[in-house]
Amino acid sequence: EDKVVQSPLSLVVHEGDTVTLNCSYEVTNFRSLLWYKQEKKAPTFLFMLTSSGIEKKSGRLSSILDKKELFSILNITATQTGDSAVYLCAVESLRYSGAGSYQLTFGKGTKLSVIP
Amino acid sequence: DAGITQSPRHKVTETGTPVTLRCHQTENHRYMYWYRQDPGHGLRLIHYSYGVKDTDKGEVSDGYSVSRSKTEDFLLTLESATSSQTSVYFCAISDKDRGTGNSPLHFGNGTRLTVT
Repeated sequence: EDKVVQSPLSLVVHEGDTVTLNCSYEVTNFRSLLWYKQEKKAPTFLFMLTSSGIEKKSGRLSSILDKKELFSILNITATQTGDSAVYLCAVESLRYSGAGSYQLTFGKGTKLSVIP
Repeated sequence: DAGITQSPRHKVTETGTPVTLRCHQTENHRYMYWYRQDPGHGLRLIHYSYGVKDTDKGEVSDGYSVSRSKTEDFLLTLESATSSQTSVYFCAISDKDRGTGNSPLHFGNGTRLTVT
């Protein structure tokens, strides 16, 4: 059974701090790892990582994958109150059901609260 | 929001009644998914579809059925709703091709279902 574990489960920081969110996984037929941000409604896509050691970056957010050690981190620098959200990590695996279909297994998320 | 509409947005129903949730997409994506999100469990896959009339079970499929008669519509049915099915239900889509597999899921805004 595929498993994705995120840590910490919750985190409170002050504006301007830098935070690191962790995601470890155990899956068969790994294809990619994805990060999502969820505020009040739907999760919104942040990054997809498929190769080890290559950093993906978008503004103050960055992420890297280590396929040997089976984990990923999401960094947020100079945090702002608008970064307050639940950050979800998901791992995509290939499911050999004859259709070659893909599915995502999600972690339980890290709730980040940024206070002024 | 990636052309995904879920209906209804909220629903309250009684135990034992049938309920159908609808997901409609305008992106012509091949893959569609139904997830439920509960505190302490994160997002869990109920069913997914990899084409018209092609569906498969996820990890929490008991008590649910799905149908996909057109590319744009994916229906989730609770044949006889129970209180344990009180949850927020998210539809997601992906244009993942069998050969490449590298395409993130995009989520609808969710349906909040309460079974009393």
